[in-house]
Amino acid sequence: DAMVIQNPRYQVTQFGKPVTLSCSQTLNHNVMYWYQQKSSQAPKLLFHYYDKDFNNEADTPDNFQSRRPNTSFCFLDIRSPGLGDAAMYLCATSRDVRGTYQPQHFGDGTRLSIL
Amino acid sequence: SQQGEEDPQALSIQEGENATMNCSYKTSINNLQWYRQNSGRGLVHLILIRSNEREKHSGRLRVTLDTSKKSSSLLITASRAADTASYFCVAAGNKLTFGGGTRVLVKP
Repeated sequence: DAMVIQNPRYQVTQFGKPVTLSCSQTLNHNVMYWYQQKSSQAPKLLFHYYDKDFNNEADTPDNFQSRRPNTSFCFLDIRSPGLGDAAMYLCATSRDVRGTYQPQHFGDGTRLSIL
Repeated sequence: SQQGEEDPQALSIQEGENATMNCSYKTSINNLQWYRQNSGRGLVHLILIRSNEREKHSGRLRVTLDTSKKSSSLLITASRAADTASYFCVAAGNKLTFGGGTRVLVKP
């Protein structure tokens, strides 16, 4: 009964070659988040969708984009991956009234490697 | 700032002992949340404490919150090997602020 599903679990791409990571949820939550987590560090919030409203963090590089075509799916696009983008990417969802930040449900992540 | 502070950064204890970790943050909050992350997995929500609460329990977990000191603590009692994980606090104010995490090793 997986609730936040990230595919694939492992992704390898080449330096500079665009890559898309996907996340789906069966919880019907209105908020979806994307995080980048590097080894032994805390997750770093990249952006989140409040319903269809996209909220970018100020320090998220332009190289990172996102799409949310419907409630259930959200995608992370990395336009030109660099070696520094190798990381675990985590998707999370929550059911929020704006600004209340309720508990998040996380997927198990996609580990991205750059060759 | 993306990160608040957590201490210790790492903690090694024997099974059956208690584990305590602390979190500090800088802004006013609506709530503070604690999460566990097992190696190679996503985070799992453990407990949420609201800004008007001072203490909360859930099973073997006890969380305290001192908004005057902008700090929180998580106590895991009677630890088990399965509690081995990283633990993160998340301060939820006008934005989410993660602590740096505490890596807990529970030795059988």
